[in-house]
Amino acid sequence: AQSVAQPEDQVNVAEGNPLTVKCTYSVSGNPYLFWYVQYPNRGLQFLLKYITGDNLVKGSYGFEAEFNKSQTSFHLKKPSALVSDSALYFCAVREGRGSTLGRLYFGRGTQLTVWP
Amino acid sequence: DTGVSQDPRHKITKRGQNVTFRCDPISEHNRLYWYRQTLGQGPEFLTYFQNEAQLEKSRLLSDRFSAERPKGSFSTLEIQRTEQGDSAMYLCASSPRTGPTDTQYFGPGTRLTVL
Repeated sequence: AQSVAQPEDQVNVAEGNPLTVKCTYSVSGNPYLFWYVQYPNRGLQFLLKYITGDNLVKGSYGFEAEFNKSQTSFHLKKPSALVSDSALYFCAVREGRGSTLGRLYFGRGTQLTVWP
Repeated sequence: DTGVSQDPRHKITKRGQNVTFRCDPISEHNRLYWYRQTLGQGPEFLTYFQNEAQLEKSRLLSDRFSAERPKGSFSTLEIQRTEQGDSAMYLCASSPRTGPTDTQYFGPGTRLTVL
């Protein structure tokens, strides 16, 4: 069965500091991994995804994520946090090649707060 | 910007009433998904269409729930005899048909409150 864990409900960082939002996953076969961000009363906005290839994926708004197969992790990172990055972040996984299923499995979300 | 749109954005109803939500996907996106998000949780998959065919349904989609995509464009999600436990944000997403690597783009959601 596929699942995603986001071990931290909240992450607090100072503006200008690096940030990391953690995600681990469990999936049969090759994983396709995604990060989304949600602002209050809004839908989810796509940030980045890992399909194959380079383990470091770059996405929108200066975010990047590192895929680590041995640790089954896909942590979201940003070198220098902005107050405007404060939002709810979701990690999601999808079954890999050979699957016709469409669903994404989401973690519970991590609330990121960047203070000035 | 012609992103995914959902209507209504908010719906308040009394227990036992029927409600219907509409989703308009991004133009030419073949795939359409419905998810439900409750407070403090990530979105949970409900159902998935490829064109007008409903290919996958979650066990969360009880007999009171029905979804359609009659012409392969917009979709509707109907909940009959609503219960307080149905209160949630209902999210729609669409993606082009490029395979399992395709990105799902989400609409703003419909927030349902059942009194």
